[in-house]
Amino acid sequence: QQQVKQSPQSLIVQKGGISIINCAYENTAFDYFPWYQQFPGKGPALLIAIRPDVSEKKEGRFTISFNKSAKQSSLHIMDSQPGDSATYFCAAKRGYQKVTFGTGTKLQVIP
Amino acid sequence: DADVTQTPRNRITKTGKRIMLECSQTKGHDRMYWYRQDPGLGLRLIYYSFDVKDINKGEISDGYSVSRQAQAKFSLSLESAIPNQTALYFCATSDFGRGLAGTDTQYFGPGTRLTVL
Repeated sequence: QQQVKQSPQSLIVQKGGISIINCAYENTAFDYFPWYQQFPGKGPALLIAIRPDVSEKKEGRFTISFNKSAKQSSLHIMDSQPGDSATYFCAAKRGYQKVTFGTGTKLQVIP
Repeated sequence: DADVTQTPRNRITKTGKRIMLECSQTKGHDRMYWYRQDPGLGLRLIYYSFDVKDINKGEISDGYSVSRQAQAKFSLSLESAIPNQTALYFCATSDFGRGLAGTDTQYFGPGTRLTVL
């Protein structure tokens, strides 16, 4: 059973545009929702994270929005740049249990 | 120096061979993980260990085994490699008890690209 469903699988955005990646969570007990960024040839690294009592968190051009009742989260990348081209993973965690990752979204930002 | 190191970085082997991938960390974290990454399938958890005496199967443990030799070392073995185990393998660490409580941020190594012919 896939508890963290991510879409789309791939995304092409023009430079300056907005990239939007969505994530849906099956488990209502999740209490922490990180997003990871993976550049080609590298391991993933934490990008930004949110807790369910917060509806939005912004760090620079990256914003997470979270809808607790809909069990959904979205990552928005404003003014997307070619350097943002990477694979993005949403994830979720409950208490002391291990993190569960989504299937990833490969983002390509074209000039 | 990198906090999480993996050896080898690349490996080509033949079907039926035994392979060991090694992971070492200097972060002092208790938790360690082995993931497999395939195109379109994201990161799939193979095994994880919350401390030296704790080993747990992940979602795709068949055909793999692990050893937690010390807090800093976690090895993944393929007892008899098969072609569909060709993938990119990542080791990761985390420490639930540090920093903001409950974040359990994962720190990944650089990956090992394994090809089974």
